[in-house]
Amino acid sequence: DSGVTQTPKHLITATGQRVTLRCSPRSGDLSVYWYQQSLDQGLQFLIQYYNGEERAKGNILERFSAQQFPDLHSELNLSSLELGDSALYFCASSASGRGDYNEQFFGPGTRLTVL
Amino acid sequence: AQRVTQPEKLLSVFKGAPVELKCNYSYSGSPELFWYVQYSRQRLQLLLRHISRESIKGFTADLNKGETSFHLKKPFAQEEDSAMYYCALRERDDKIIFGKGTRLHILP
Repeated sequence: DSGVTQTPKHLITATGQRVTLRCSPRSGDLSVYWYQQSLDQGLQFLIQYYNGEERAKGNILERFSAQQFPDLHSELNLSSLELGDSALYFCASSASGRGDYNEQFFGPGTRLTVL
Repeated sequence: AQRVTQPEKLLSVFKGAPVELKCNYSYSGSPELFWYVQYSRQRLQLLLRHISRESIKGFTADLNKGETSFHLKKPFAQEEDSAMYYCALRERDDKIIFGKGTRLHILP
């Protein structure tokens, strides 16, 4: 699959725990974006990385962090998890991060359930 | 403050009838607006951009700066149009702000 991939598909964990979500962008894409989708808040932009560097930040909590590695895959780390963190987390990638808009291609998402 | 508003959570339309999904935005400067669509069991994908002024799958959307709107329209709904539709705004720093989405349900 040459599209955006995300692992795991589903994650069930307990409050207070820490999890890592992984995203592999489309081949050749340099930008990775993370979004959180919850029932009440809709789709919210969290953070963007471009070629390993943080490019833009949205409504990302301090308990959350992300990074993009030299091979361009990205990880979103969620710590001290709360019930309210239960959501679908999407990753998207695009060819570049600035200038003319490059279409974002979305992954299938990781469904996180915090019990 | 929410910058992209989709007032309808759910819109039910009969097959063959016109469709209009509403989107209003607030943004200083020249906005760049998009419609994304998510069909059942598929990924979120770009439907159209206001800059390209194209019609995709029969859908069009015109940017109305006076009314700060970017409504999505289709003259004749088809059953395969049933999906979740998101209006989105790109900010200067490449952040994309999504609306909360409208579920379009096409009735047979």
